[in-house]
Amino acid sequence: GQQLNQSPQSMFIQEGEDVSMNCTSSSIFNTWLWYKQDPGEGPVLLIALYKAGELTSNGRLTAQFGITRKDSFLNISASIPSDVGIYFCASKDAGKSTFGDGTTLTVKP
Amino acid sequence: DGGITQSPKYLFRKEGQNVTLSCEQNLNHDAMYWYRQDPGQGLRLIYYSQIVNDFQKGDIAEGYSVSREKKESFPLTVTSAQKNPTAFYLCASKDGASGSAGEQFFGPGTRLTVL
Repeated sequence: GQQLNQSPQSMFIQEGEDVSMNCTSSSIFNTWLWYKQDPGEGPVLLIALYKAGELTSNGRLTAQFGITRKDSFLNISASIPSDVGIYFCASKDAGKSTFGDGTTLTVKP
Repeated sequence: DGGITQSPKYLFRKEGQNVTLSCEQNLNHDAMYWYRQDPGQGLRLIYYSQIVNDFQKGDIAEGYSVSREKKESFPLTVTSAQKNPTAFYLCASKDGASGSAGEQFFGPGTRLTVL
């Protein structure tokens, strides 16, 4: 099946720092989705992207759909302790979604 | 409130027993999914169903079974044939309408521990 490669695998940052993570694929996608999973909970959708080149913001989060349609990045500005969790990228593919392995974010106060 | 529920949150079973995890949604979504998540890893698709009375195997279906007799419900049975059943299990649903955004809504998960 299709694979999404997320990087970095984990990040340890200081509160207030900006964060960037990305997701790449060898396949072209029409949709990119970014989810956040709090410890012990189910993932929640943060941002959905539907058009190549699209740049979308949700509060301190910004995500972009790569122009080649094979990648996407997610930025978090001015991180706070509640940003801790696992961030997943996902693609929508004919009835099911493929998820990346996630980026685990730790924020030190 | 519309949503997707999984119960119980924590489940313990002895090795060799079958166990069924429940998943219910009142979002009127056509599609439902089961994922397994192991520590430090991503989501792996077990089974999915795009419509009532129909379901397909995902990437790791061996040792699991599902049914979809009602639109609202998609229970997952972890059988004794599953070699390593201890994991966090997530259920999700998605609106199948062509104009929908396509995102999946997840339940809170069930942590299964087999002793």
